[in-house]
Amino acid sequence: AQSVSQHNHHVILSEAASLELGCNYSYGGTVNLFWYVQYPGQHLQLLLKYFSGDPLVKGIKGFEAEFIKSKFSFNLRKPSVQWSDTAEYFCAALFYNQGGKLIFGQGTELSVKP
Amino acid sequence: DTAVSQTPKYLVTQMGNDKSIKCEQNLGHDTMYWYKQDSKKFLKIMFSYNNKELIINETVPNRFSPKSPDKAHLNLHINSLELGDSAVYFCASSPKGQGTDGYTFGSGTRLTVV
Repeated sequence: AQSVSQHNHHVILSEAASLELGCNYSYGGTVNLFWYVQYPGQHLQLLLKYFSGDPLVKGIKGFEAEFIKSKFSFNLRKPSVQWSDTAEYFCAALFYNQGGKLIFGQGTELSVKP
Repeated sequence: DTAVSQTPKYLVTQMGNDKSIKCEQNLGHDTMYWYKQDSKKFLKIMFSYNNKELIINETVPNRFSPKSPDKAHLNLHINSLELGDSAVYFCASSPKGQGTDGYTFGSGTRLTVV
């Protein structure tokens, strides 16, 4: 079965540091990719998504992600994090042969120190 | 207006009880989902309904039974609750059967079984 894996379980950064969270997905043909954010005690919110076209995708709150097909990766980046970015980040993939089932990675907890 | 709303937000109940969680979406989406988020924040799909028809039914105990009276509602009934059922349950919806636009999530129901 297709899967999604996130490299980092917990990342701790100081404000203004740059962020990169890794995400890899297993090969499964055509795939749509997403990053979601879950602030403490809240629901998941969509940060950005990739369907096709430009592999560099820009999302909300200054986040961006790059789809590298040859590496099966979709890493999330932000040049300068803020304390308010403290949250859980989930990478997710929708494999077309999985009947519309969104498969999530394990999540990465980001803690930003003021 | 809340796009995907779940009730209740918190649910504390004793082992062996039967409980229901309700979900409603006002986005006009055709497909709705139930996800379970465990204590390690891992999100796993449980069920998916497309216009009242069950299309995804993961390996979930028979004690869990989804019901979709119409395409705007997807309820989750749980019989004979067990300690291991304690988790946050998220409802989600998507505009197309394949979920290609990503999902919109509800705020979650934190279920605690004591």
